[in-house]
Amino acid sequence: GENVEQHPSTLSVQEGDSAVIKCTYSDSASNYFPWYKQELGKRPQLIIDIRSNVGEKKDQRIAVTLNKTAKHFSLHITETQPEDSAVYFCAARNTGNQFYFGTGTSLTVIP
Amino acid sequence: DTEVTQTPKHLVMGMTNKKSLKCEQHMGHRAMYWYKQKAKKPPELMFVYSYEKLSINESVPSRFSPECPNSSLLNLHLHALQPEDSALYLCASSPLTSGITDTQYFGPGTRLTVL
Repeated sequence: GENVEQHPSTLSVQEGDSAVIKCTYSDSASNYFPWYKQELGKRPQLIIDIRSNVGEKKDQRIAVTLNKTAKHFSLHITETQPEDSAVYFCAARNTGNQFYFGTGTSLTVIP
Repeated sequence: DTEVTQTPKHLVMGMTNKKSLKCEQHMGHRAMYWYKQKAKKPPELMFVYSYEKLSINESVPSRFSPECPNSSLLNLHLHALQPEDSALYLCASSPLTSGITDTQYFGPGTRLTVL
């Protein structure tokens, strides 16, 4: 089955700085990679996703890059704000429609 | 309607009780999922229904019994649970379209406590 690794597990940045979270996956057939933000006590919220036929996608301050050859993808948040503080999960979907999640990154943005 | 809803929000049950969790979506999605999430851990896939048929069961104990009465509803029946089953139970749905696009949306979850 798919194995998704995520680093770092915790990340603290100053407000206005950038944050980068990295994930690797094992199943080369995985074809869809969403990123979720989860605040304490809330549901995971999709913030950005990327399909395997695309190398990069950007939505305002958030961007995701995918390297299919190396089987890794990354989340980039620029100009971080305190409200970006949350746990972020990457995920990979395989051809069997199963979603496998990374272990999560707890991001703290210090005002 | 672009939301997945779940009831109840909170549930406390004893180990001998029988209860059910409910999930509903009206987005026309044909795949529905149950996940279990422990504190500070990622969601852990339990079941996947595709076109109202159980397609994936991730070796979940039989005390959890899923049911998909129609394309909009998903239930999780609970019986003889253990305290370690206490967790946030999340429902999700996705379009299950052909090709590689398949965004998944989560409900707010049911916080389950087993005494």
